[in-house]
Amino acid sequence: GQNIDQPTEMTATEGAIVQINCTYQTSGFNGLFWYQQHAGEAPTFLSYNVLDGLEEKGRFSSFLSRSKGYSYLLLKELQMKDSASYLCAVRDQTGANNLFFGTGTRLTVIP
Amino acid sequence: EPEVTQTPSHQVTQMGQEVILRCVPISNHLYFYWYRQILGQKVEFLVSFYNNEISEKSEIFDDQFSVERPDGSNFTLKIRSTKLEDSAMYFCAGQRQRTTYEQYFGPGTRLTVT
Repeated sequence: GQNIDQPTEMTATEGAIVQINCTYQTSGFNGLFWYQQHAGEAPTFLSYNVLDGLEEKGRFSSFLSRSKGYSYLLLKELQMKDSASYLCAVRDQTGANNLFFGTGTRLTVIP
Repeated sequence: EPEVTQTPSHQVTQMGQEVILRCVPISNHLYFYWYRQILGQKVEFLVSFYNNEISEKSEIFDDQFSVERPDGSNFTLKIRSTKLEDSAMYFCAGQRQRTTYEQYFGPGTRLTVT
């Protein structure tokens, strides 16, 4: 089975930095993904990690430790538009590369 | 920039009725997926589709569900006899090839079963 855990809600201040953690226990592993989902909209891709370490992409960075089953998404210079749910997802190692999602972390950015 | 499209955006149906949800993936995508998200819950994998056949399906994808790619462009999800618990947002997603990692999600169809 797949078990992916992330905090339900977080609040942070505009201009600040926030780290959203994700831990996973999965039967297979072929990459960890972070998606952003605004209310009522589709998930949009943010980042992908398959090897240990940090991937940086503008204001967003994502870290992976496979031995610990742990990842985090780091958002810098927070903007009001960053208020959204952030979904951690693991790609199963089976041939079809299906994504298994966590419940998401709802981030609220306050002025 | 090409996008995944889905129709309808919202479908209301009575319990026991059949519904067909439609998706037009990006043209150079080879792998297709259906996910659903019950209100307030996580996104759940339903089925994956490659080379005109199902690659993998979850426990949710029982005999009431079926998928087709009837004409090489549209990708459909059919629910034969809807139940109240089928009410959810249904997302179609596409992936260019197995070695790429990004799945492009469509805007979703909100299905409401009454």
